Amino acid sequence: AAGVIQSPRHLIKEKRETATLKCYPIPRHDTVYWYQQGPGQDPQFLISFYEKMQSDKGSIPDRFSAQQFSDYHSELNMSSLELGDSALYFCASSLVQRTDTQYFGPGTRLTVL
Amino acid sequence: GENVEQHPSTLSVQEGDSAVIKCTYSDSASNYFPWYKQELGKGPQLIIDIRSNVGEKKDQRIAVTLNKTAKHFSLHITETQPEDSAVYFCAASPGSNYQLIWGAGTKLIIKP
Repeated sequence: AAGVIQSPRHLIKEKRETATLKCYPIPRHDTVYWYQQGPGQDPQFLISFYEKMQSDKGSIPDRFSAQQFSDYHSELNMSSLELGDSALYFCASSLVQRTDTQYFGPGTRLTVL
Repeated sequence: GENVEQHPSTLSVQEGDSAVIKCTYSDSASNYFPWYKQELGKGPQLIIDIRSNVGEKKDQRIAVTLNKTAKHFSLHITETQPEDSAVYFCAASPGSNYQLIWGAGTKLIIKP
């Protein structure tokens, strides 16, 4: 079965640079969630989109923004990167009728030097 | 808001024995409780979930029980195998939105 695809899988950036993470949800899934996971931590919810509109917002810094496109893929844009932004970033997708059942992608490991 | 507590933080069991991980939640309106397994460097994998209208659900060696009155739910893994070694997260969905509120995770170690 098709799963959530994330790219890139690994990303290394310098402080103050920008980064763009991409997420391709499971086919026919219309809701996308972004999470940040630090070492030894549980995933922290950042933001979610349903039908290309922001549906919920969590602890996403103002330096970050995200959007969902017409093909339902989503991009997380991160600017003015800080050392503390180094983490695993996961995207999850769900079908609106079962919106609380979220399926996670493999993640993008972001390292900020 | 909802708060989920998970215990223990680390659990070491002998291969073939059973493992039990427990979670409590605070918001009585929560109605969906998934369990995720996360292996090192990988994304969380949904292994089983339960909704508030059900008391128990089983899938082969994995079972989840829910006590709505006490506001706790548990993951049971029987006949543990080395590949069960991972971090397990419980979560709760408050129902007012579709955010998942996560427990802190349990590192399960299966000793050969």
